[in-house]
Amino acid sequence: KNQVEQSPQSLIILEGKNCTLQCNYTVSPFSNLRWYKQDTGRGPVSLTIMTFSENTKSNGRYTATLDADTKQSSLHITASQLSDSASYICVVSAAKGGQNFVFGPGTRLSVLP
Amino acid sequence: NAGVTQTPKFQVLKTGQSMTLQCAQDMNHNSMYWYRQDPGMGLRLIYYSASEGTTDKGEVPNGYNVSRLNKREFSLRLESAAPSQTSVYFCASSPTGQGQYEAFFGQGTRLTVV
Repeated sequence: KNQVEQSPQSLIILEGKNCTLQCNYTVSPFSNLRWYKQDTGRGPVSLTIMTFSENTKSNGRYTATLDADTKQSSLHITASQLSDSASYICVVSAAKGGQNFVFGPGTRLSVLP
Repeated sequence: NAGVTQTPKFQVLKTGQSMTLQCAQDMNHNSMYWYRQDPGMGLRLIYYSASEGTTDKGEVPNGYNVSRLNKREFSLRLESAAPSQTSVYFCASSPTGQGQYEAFFGQGTRLTVV
């Protein structure tokens, strides 16, 4: 069964600190992996997308890594800001037609002043 | 640049009542989706429409119906609401149904069934 797991479930850090969120998946055949940011009361917004051949992708202070061999991805946030407080969702797409997004449960990040 | 617009944002229903959630996108996307999001779980697909005139069941379609009214609009109907349908509902759209295209999400509808 195609699944996406994320850890930790929640995380609290102080403003200015770095953090890393983890994603493990069993989706096959793999097409691409996205990280979404979801602010409270809002819909998810895409941060990065990586295909099989990419192992790093950055978007400002957000850096995603992908290890397709071990089926793991991480999202590293540098110099966190209060506005980074949100849920971060890992989404994996299977390489086949039709609707094929598999969503992880998300990691809830709280950045405190 | 509205993107994906959902109405209403909040709704409280009594068990057995019916309602329709509306969704419209202005990006000329072919594919549209309805998801539900429950605490501790990833978004789960209810129904999707790969293109105008087609609809297909997703992972959790029971208790729901959909209509792809035109290319812009995709509505979700609860015929007889149940407490198990208390959730946050998201509509999304993408250029096509293939996974390499980004999906854009609406702001969500928080539905409570009492």
